[in-house]
Amino acid sequence: NAGVTQTPKFRVLKTGQSMTLLCAQDMNHEYMYWYRQDPGMGLRLIHYSVGEGTTAKGEVPDGYNVSRLKKQNFLLGLESAAPSQTSVYFCASSLTSNIQYFGAGTRLSVL
Amino acid sequence: GIQVEQSPPDLILQEGANSTLRCNFSDSVNNLQWFHQNPWGQLINLFYIPSGTKQNGRLSATTVATERYSLLYISSSQTTDSGVYFCAVEDGGSNYKLTFGKGTLLTVNP
Repeated sequence: NAGVTQTPKFRVLKTGQSMTLLCAQDMNHEYMYWYRQDPGMGLRLIHYSVGEGTTAKGEVPDGYNVSRLKKQNFLLGLESAAPSQTSVYFCASSLTSNIQYFGAGTRLSVL
Repeated sequence: GIQVEQSPPDLILQEGANSTLRCNFSDSVNNLQWFHQNPWGQLINLFYIPSGTKQNGRLSATTVATERYSLLYISSSQTTDSGVYFCAVEDGGSNYKLTFGKGTLLTVNP
């Protein structure tokens, strides 16, 4: 039981490049979330999903897209990366809206 | 949206000391969680506590929902308690979205 696994752990992009971050959970959780964490700040919600095939916008969705084609996976895409998207990205999942379990994070730098 | 304020922003303790961290929120909540982010960045859920009191070893938490605050108590602190403690809340109409405070950075010195 691995919990929540994020891939990759680190990535460096050039401005304008695209990439996809993968989040996988093996706990059969319905809800999944993508957050970003910037220095000196708490986490801010980018997008979330309340079940397979559903997605919704969070607090800071601009510049990101997501997909939840399978219940266990939640993908976060950056179509044209910008330096402002340099951040640490966390994925989380929860069975209900109660306790969220977090992955180890992906550190992304956009040059 | 709901506002979450944590205090103090920074706290330095000697090993063995006790501490209290506070979380104030601006509206009624369905969900309140305390998290610990260790120095390696991993986020660990400590408590799910929208109201009442819970204890887990040296840690305990109390939420007074009617007065819109929560407290996290750390007793007999250890160096492994160092890191950032976050409070996160979900307001009544947010559809499962957690809003995080900016955290309290705790440093426990040996």
